[in-house]
Amino acid sequence: GAVVSQHPSWVICKSGTSVKIECRSLDFQATTMFWYRQFPKQSLMLMATSNEGSKATYEQGVEKDKFLINHASLTLSTLTVTSAHPEDSSFYICSAHSGRIMNTEAFFGQGTRLTVV
Amino acid sequence: GENVEQHPSTLSVQEGDSAVIKCTYSDSASNYFPWYKQELGKGPQLIIDIRSNVGEKKDQRIAVTLNKTAKHFSLHITETQPEDSAVYFCAASSPRDSSYKLIFGSGTRLLVRP
Repeated sequence: GAVVSQHPSWVICKSGTSVKIECRSLDFQATTMFWYRQFPKQSLMLMATSNEGSKATYEQGVEKDKFLINHASLTLSTLTVTSAHPEDSSFYICSAHSGRIMNTEAFFGQGTRLTVV
Repeated sequence: GENVEQHPSTLSVQEGDSAVIKCTYSDSASNYFPWYKQELGKGPQLIIDIRSNVGEKKDQRIAVTLNKTAKHFSLHITETQPEDSAVYFCAASSPRDSSYKLIFGSGTRLLVRP
């Protein structure tokens, strides 16, 4: 299957600083990418849909000014957690669709564990 | 919007036995139903999926069944092995949403006892 690479795999940052997470589709072009957050022993909660060349669509309750998403190319989307606080500590996962018509398969990155101290 | 419910939340089976995980969905227009396996500290990995024009799909020890009338679908793992131990998530997507976003179930923690 297609490969989605996420970087970094883990990061520790101080409270108040910003952290950027990258999501790359390595062998296909992704017109749409998704960002999820997963707390321990819980399911994946969709944060936002990232569309190449346009603004991201955020799910209800997700602060767009805190979680900045940029999808500047067909192979890269970034999530920046601004002014991070301990409650932002979580496992962040991206996924990508190849964008082919009728293809709804989603490929996931390996996730980024963010710890805010 | 779509809502997906999954049960059981935990499942413990003896090696070699079968495991069944069930999900229900609310949006009758949903037409794509993938199953993901997630190991500790890793991203979900697609193990099998089914579309609404098919009632059953099988891949070696893994099978998925879909009942559109009842709006539920199930994952069947036969001859379970210890390496099958992980968290399994079902998901659904609907053509009502052009982005094909997936709505996930709450997950099932499967433990296969040697």
